[in-house]
Order: sequence, then C-alpha cells, then structure tokens
Amino acid sequence: NAGVTQTPKFRILKIGQSMTLQCAQDMNHNYMYWYRQDPGMGLKLIYYSVGAGITDKGEVPNGYNVSRSTTEDFPLRLELAAPSQTSVYFCASILDRRNTEAFFGQGTRLTVV
Amino acid sequence: KQEVTQIPAALSVPEGENLVLNCSFTDSAIYNLQWFRQDPGKGLTSLLLIQSSQREQTSGRLNASLDKSSGRSTLYIAASQPGDSATYLCAVRERETSGSRLTFGEGTQLTVNP
Repeated sequence: NAGVTQTPKFRILKIGQSMTLQCAQDMNHNYMYWYRQDPGMGLKLIYYSVGAGITDKGEVPNGYNVSRSTTEDFPLRLELAAPSQTSVYFCASILDRRNTEAFFGQGTRLTVV
Repeated sequence: KQEVTQIPAALSVPEGENLVLNCSFTDSAIYNLQWFRQDPGKGLTSLLLIQSSQREQTSGRLNASLDKSSGRSTLYIAASQPGDSATYLCAVRERETSGSRLTFGEGTQLTVNP
C-alpha cells in the first residue's frame, strides 16, 4: 500500500525555469492538497482539489498551477521559477471532509538558484 | 480566518520526563484536529486524530486532548525518550471552508536529551 507518492524528492531549478511536481495516491481519496513549508514554519496551502476536474486556490497560489484529470493524480506546475519558491512541497490526501485523517507524501525539496 | 498557535516553539527536556505540548485555534468550527510528527528533512507522520465530538485520544505513550469550546488541544508525552526528538505539528480541519482544508500551527521542536 503505497499511500501518497511524490516525485522527485529533490530538485534544483534555475530562475525562470519551469517544472511539474508529481503527486499520486492509491487510496481512492477524493480530496487532495498541495502545501509548502518554509524553514521553521508551518505548512501553507497552495491549491486543493475536491475531486477529478475540480480545483481551487489556497492561501499562497501565485506562481503555481494545478490540474486533476484523474482521482489518483494531482500535479503541481511551477512556471517561471523564482527564489521565493525555494521550499519543501508536500502533497496530502483525505477520503472525505469530515472524519478521516490526512495522509502526506514524503515531500519534494526544491531550490531555485 | 483560522489561526493555529503552538506553544512552546522549542522544548528541551531530559530523558524520562513527562511533557505537554500546547495547540490553540481561533475558530471552533472544526471537524477534527490532528497531531503530526516531523523528523528533520522528512515528511509528516500522523500521530493522533481527534474528532470534534471527542475529548481525547491515546496511542501508547501519547495522549491528546481537545477542548473545542475553548479552542485548545494538548499532546501529552509520557516518559520521554531521545527517539521522541522531532517537530510536532497540530492541524485543524476547518468546517466552514471549501475543500475542508487543514490549517497548521508552526510546530514545537522537541529535543529529549539522554
């Protein structure tokens, strides 16, 4: 049972480059989330999805885009990378909105230079 | 807007001590509260989930309580061990927001000294 899988684990980007962070879950969860964690801080919500084809912005969406074409996958796209996007990115999923626990991937550590 | 605060930000204790980590939140309209552990450079491991209708949950040496009306939760760790050293995060699942998002505190960094 893989849970939530994120790839890659590490990446260095140059300013202005683009990349896609991959997230996949095999638990048939409806809700999926992308968070970023800056050093010494809590997690801030970037984007979320309540099901295939439905996405919405969180607290800090600028510079990012998402899509959700299947229940399993929720990729996060960075366009025109900036040093302010240097962070650790976590993907999470839950089955339903009320009573179930959240499961997290192991994170992607991104450095923009 | 929901705000989650964790006190203290850092804690250093000798091995064997019982300790309490605190979490407070401003909006009591929540479905549940979840405590996580994060080791340096790693992801989040779920420790305990407390539903809004519950008062406490226990797992081994860990006990978490929830007082929704006052917006507070505590994580009690009994007989602490060096292996408990990590950052502990609490997060609330909000009832009123679209997407039922988790809002996190900034964490308590715990060091247990042998």
